[in-house]
Amino acid sequence: AQRVTQPEKLLSVFKGAPVELKCNYSYSGSPELFWYVQYSRQRLQLLLRHISRESIKGFTADLNKGETSFHLKKPFAQEEDSAMYYCALSGRSNQAGTALIFGKGTTLSVSS
Amino acid sequence: GAGVSQSPRYKVAKRGQDVALRCDPISGHVSLFWYQQALGQGPEFLTYFQNEAQLDKSGLPSDRFFAERPEGSVSTLKIQRTQQEDSAVYLCASSLEGQPQHFGDGTRLSIL
Repeated sequence: AQRVTQPEKLLSVFKGAPVELKCNYSYSGSPELFWYVQYSRQRLQLLLRHISRESIKGFTADLNKGETSFHLKKPFAQEEDSAMYYCALSGRSNQAGTALIFGKGTTLSVSS
Repeated sequence: GAGVSQSPRYKVAKRGQDVALRCDPISGHVSLFWYQQALGQGPEFLTYFQNEAQLDKSGLPSDRFFAERPEGSVSTLKIQRTQQEDSAVYLCASSLEGQPQHFGDGTRLSIL
């Protein structure tokens, strides 16, 4: 079955500390992985896409096919990083459509 | 230009009533998706349109749920004879073919 697992519901860190939000997936095929973020009172927005291999707001994520993981990392957390983070997999496909399969999300809380 | 627009933002209905939720995608986006997000969960796929064609409706939970996009732009998600378990946030997303999805603010539906 296609599935995305985010084992941590809440992650609390101090400002300046490293952050790693875990994401594991189950998918038979070549997946496309994403991280979406939702700041307080804002809509869900794309943070990272694995095929882009870029760093956004200091965050990076590497797709590890051997471990079926796509963990999100940032070396020094900032208070403005506090938000809900969702890992998502592009799985089911129908012609051009690629519906997303989301994990349950991890709340990141960064305090000073 | 404007992002994905959804209306109403909040909807309260009595059990058994019919509701209609509207999504106005980004202009030019051929792909349109509906997701349901229950409290404490990640979004779950409901249905997908490519232009006016509904290519995948495998995520619709019952025949009480119906979606349409008659002119390939605005889409409406209709829920008939609502039940308490239909209470959730309904998210709409649109995209260009093969590109990441852009989400609306969602409609929070509460069934009393």
